[in-house]
Amino acid sequence: KAGVTQTPRYLIKTRGQQVTLSCSPISGHRSVSWYQQTPGQGLQFLFEYFSETQRNKGNFPGRFSGRQFSNSRSEMNVSTLELGDSALYLCASSAGLAGTNTGELFFGEGSRLTVL
Amino acid sequence: AQSVTQLDSHVSVSEGTPVLLRCNYSSSYSPSLFWYVQHPNKGLQLLLKYTSAATLVKGINGFEAEFKKSETSFHLTKPSAHMSDAAEYFCVVSDFTGGFKTIFGAGTRLFVKA
Repeated sequence: KAGVTQTPRYLIKTRGQQVTLSCSPISGHRSVSWYQQTPGQGLQFLFEYFSETQRNKGNFPGRFSGRQFSNSRSEMNVSTLELGDSALYLCASSAGLAGTNTGELFFGEGSRLTVL
Repeated sequence: AQSVTQLDSHVSVSEGTPVLLRCNYSSSYSPSLFWYVQHPNKGLQLLLKYTSAATLVKGINGFEAEFKKSETSFHLTKPSAHMSDAAEYFCVVSDFTGGFKTIFGAGTRLFVKA
């Protein structure tokens, strides 16, 4: 079956702009989580959505937000971009239910954001 | 609270020699533990997972890991390194507390010399 699809793969923005990234999970997966990866901070958890509800949130400012649609597709938005937001943003999907899934994540290839 | 410590930021081995990537974890619950691999400009791929079944876990590409609760360790090993193993490896702990909370280690970059 098709894997996790993230769009766009690459994008360049300037400071102060906003950006929206999209993630289509594996068919049947109801949980989508987002991660920011930078050389200095490594992989950091942004948030997790399950059935259109945010279940967990990492320690990021309110400029970072997300949502999930009824078809499980998810978007994340970053407003008022800063230089430090330049990163690889990874989306992962999973079945999302305790007992039926062990937390195994299936990752997309990421969206690489450059902020100038 | 969960935490994951990968004890080496870089490991360099010669092709054909054993690989050992070390990971210690801390979790208040009964966690699931994973190792993922990331090749340059790619997403992460699951190598193997521990979910409270057998403590010795076998994964893809000849990798395996042993869960040692007394040492809170989950080290990744491979008997013989290949050039294609050069990548970054992440140890991950996950537990379900109202939703999956997943913590990644800082990563270990594996270099394989010919």
